[in-house]
Amino acid sequence: GNSVTQMEGPVTLSEEAFLTINCTYTATGYPSLFWYVQYPGEGLQLLLKATKADDKGSNKGFEATYRKETTSFHLEKGSVQVSDSAVYFCALRSERSTGRRALTFGSGTRLQVQP
Amino acid sequence: KAGVTQTPRYLIKTRGQQVTLSCSPISGHRSVSWYQQTPGQGLQFLFEYFSETQRNKGNFPGRFSGRQFSNSRSEMNVSTLELGDSALYLCASSLGTGGSATNEKLFFGSGTQLSVL
Repeated sequence: GNSVTQMEGPVTLSEEAFLTINCTYTATGYPSLFWYVQYPGEGLQLLLKATKADDKGSNKGFEATYRKETTSFHLEKGSVQVSDSAVYFCALRSERSTGRRALTFGSGTRLQVQP
Repeated sequence: KAGVTQTPRYLIKTRGQQVTLSCSPISGHRSVSWYQQTPGQGLQFLFEYFSETQRNKGNFPGRFSGRQFSNSRSEMNVSTLELGDSALYLCASSLGTGGSATNEKLFFGSGTQLSVL
């Protein structure tokens, strides 16, 4: 079956530090990969996505590259801000998974950015 | 354009009761999915509805059910509540038409926080 593994949190960084949140996956077929962000008291928002190998998703300074050879989709940002403090979820969706639109999520990584 | 609206925002119930949660998708969206979020199990897919039909169901007991109305609004019901049903229940909507289903963007509501005492 499909699964997503994320690094344990919380990740605590100072403002302007470099961010990496690791994500690896197991999936049948050729999944699409996503990063979602959840701010306190809110639902999930799509941050970025990649639909095929070597694609790079990017948004708001965040980037992630779909690496099929290492089954990874690590999230990076060059300079984090306090406003980036949130929980980040890596997810995948595969045509062969349960429900064509059903997402399989990682456990989430809490990011805390200190001024 | 209004986002996905979930009501109520908070709910407190006792064991054995039943509960109904509501989700209004973005106007024009025909697909609605439900997810359960708990600290222990993370985010798990419950079910998906499209055009009033359940298309897919996750690995949850029959106490969890749902439906979708002709206006695409959806409800989910949990009967005979257990303590372990305490969770944030998230609804997500998508267009549900055209393109690759795996690439379709999901829009999430803020969720209903259910506490079972």
